[in-house]
Amino acid sequence: EPEVTQTPSHQVTQMGQEVILRCVPISNHLYFYWYRQILGQKVEFLVSFYNNEISEKSEIFDDQFSVERPDGSNFTLKIRSTKLEDSAMYFCASTSGLNLYEQYFGPGTRLTVT
Amino acid sequence: DAKTTQPNSMESNEEEPVHLPCNHSTISGTDYIHWYRQLPSQGPEYVIHGLTSNVNNRMASLAIAEDRKSSTLILHRATLRDAAVYYCILRRGNYGQNFVFGPGTRLSVLP
Repeated sequence: EPEVTQTPSHQVTQMGQEVILRCVPISNHLYFYWYRQILGQKVEFLVSFYNNEISEKSEIFDDQFSVERPDGSNFTLKIRSTKLEDSAMYFCASTSGLNLYEQYFGPGTRLTVT
Repeated sequence: DAKTTQPNSMESNEEEPVHLPCNHSTISGTDYIHWYRQLPSQGPEYVIHGLTSNVNNRMASLAIAEDRKSSTLILHRATLRDAAVYYCILRRGNYGQNFVFGPGTRLSVLP
């Protein structure tokens, strides 16, 4: 069964550093999402991406965040200058144009900012 | 999107049916009811969704009240692998928008 993959599984970075989290969505999917989950808290939406542009973003997704689909397969989330409060599990998700009710989530990248 | 209310936690015995309730008294006519679950240390995964009629799939059944103000996710025979946090989410329309996750119900399955 096709699946969303994410790399790395765990990223440790120092405060103020830039990080790029990578995702490979399912190949024929058209809609892409990033969510995050701070340890012990609920899953929070960050941004959605369709047709090579951001379609929706939350208040969390400020100027420190950016997304890109640099080629036909990768979908990245960049945090320009990490803060301690950015420590969380980051999930990438994708969905096809046919079954918009079913978002497929990746296993997540655990980001630890020290 | 309208708000949902779920119990914080529930327990079930293995191989018994589980009924996970969700209240959504402010649901609008175009809100779809979705259920996702999150197994330990994994991303959320789709379980089932519906609009008005009851729905069945290989994972579960969704029973929707006639007035749509509540719904129940039914796992017919709980297994240890079904231990997870279950999220009931309303989403207006079906246009690929994001999901808004609440705290969900933590289901424990006892052997």
